[in-house]
Formats: sequence, structure tokens, C-alpha cells
Amino acid sequence: KAGVTQTPRYLIKTRGQQVTLSCSPISGHRSVSWYQQTPGQGLQFLFEYFSETQRNKGNFPGRFSGRQFSNSRSEMNVSTLELGDSALYLCASSPEGRGGQETQYFGPGTRLLVL
Amino acid sequence: GQQLNQSPQSMFIQEGEDVSMNCTSSSIFNTWLWYKQDPGEGPVLLIALYKAGELTSNGRLTAQFGITRKDSFLNISASIPSDVGIYFCAGFSNTGGFKTIFGAGTRLFVKA
Repeated sequence: KAGVTQTPRYLIKTRGQQVTLSCSPISGHRSVSWYQQTPGQGLQFLFEYFSETQRNKGNFPGRFSGRQFSNSRSEMNVSTLELGDSALYLCASSPEGRGGQETQYFGPGTRLLVL
Repeated sequence: GQQLNQSPQSMFIQEGEDVSMNCTSSSIFNTWLWYKQDPGEGPVLLIALYKAGELTSNGRLTAQFGITRKDSFLNISASIPSDVGIYFCAGFSNTGGFKTIFGAGTRLFVKA
């Protein structure tokens, strides 16, 4: 099976712009979670989607949003970018069974640099 | 809220040495996961534990799900230079919503 894929792998934006990141989960996985990883803060949970519905949300401002499509692919969007949004954005998918978000498999990440 | 305390924060060891790291929490988890992350890449799942007391191996790696369900450890035997990286623990709980919580990571350095 192909793993979790994320596009693009690298992105440079300027302050005030918006960005959309894409994630394709492992085939058959219906849960997709997004994380922000910075050197000082570790892995910070953004949100989780399951069957096109947001099931969990972390403590990020409303500038961070996401959605999931019927094929389980997910996108996250960050509007009005700030310098502090520079980070590695990771997507993880989980298989069904065992109550949902149990075993997460990560993609390679999208490294975003905001100038 | 739920938190995981992962220790040590970093380790400097000699090639061939054994390594041990652990995660503890005041909360109970249903699943414990251990990941390794190389620079610029996403975390890779090493071992998944689903049952209290479970002891699972993956090559030179061994991990255990604590019987209290509040802790887990990961051991690496006979370390090699490619073991360098950041190791994360994660706990999953279906109490109060399905959530996976991550530890802050253990940064491992191996000297050849």
C-alpha cells in the first residue's frame, strides 16, 4: 500500500498570504489528522477529520482551517500567514476499527517558510 | 488536559550501547505508540501497543505498555549510528473524544 502523501513538500510564502496544503491518506483510512511541528513546540495537534467531519480540534486560531473530501483526501488552509506559521505541517491517517484514531501513520510533511 | 512526560530529553551514547526511554502520564491510555523521526521527515511508526502489559519487539527495539496504562518504555539494544533521530511516544485515549497525545520527544545521538 502506498503511504500517506503530502503536497507540496516545500513552500515559501510571504506574510499576509494564504496557503493550502494537501494530504492523501493511506488507502482505506478514513481519519486524517493535521499537526504543526516547530523546534520549540514539538508536535501540536491542529484538527482531525473523519468521514468528512471535523471530529477534534486543537487550540489554533481560526486562520487555520481544514476539510476532508469523500475520498478521504484532506486539505488544510492557513489564511493571513504570519512569520510564526513557519513550520513543518504533518498529516497522519488512521485505519478504521479499534475505536478510530488509534494508530497514526504520518506523511513526509510540508515545510512552510513564511517571509 | 492530558499530557505525556517523555524522558530523557536527549541522550548521547556510544555505538553498541543499549538505550532506554519512557513516557508517563497521569491519564490512562488505550494505545501507546512509538515513532522515530529523521530530520525533515515525518515520524515513522516503530511499535504499536494495544494492551496493558503488552511487550512487543521490532528488531532491536522493544516496547512495553505499562500495566497501569499510564506509562510505556522503549528500549533499543546495541545501538548503531542510524538510530540517531528523535523518538516520540504517543498515547491514544477514547475518553472525552478520540485523541492522540504526543510526548516532546527524545533526541538520540550515537557516537561511532
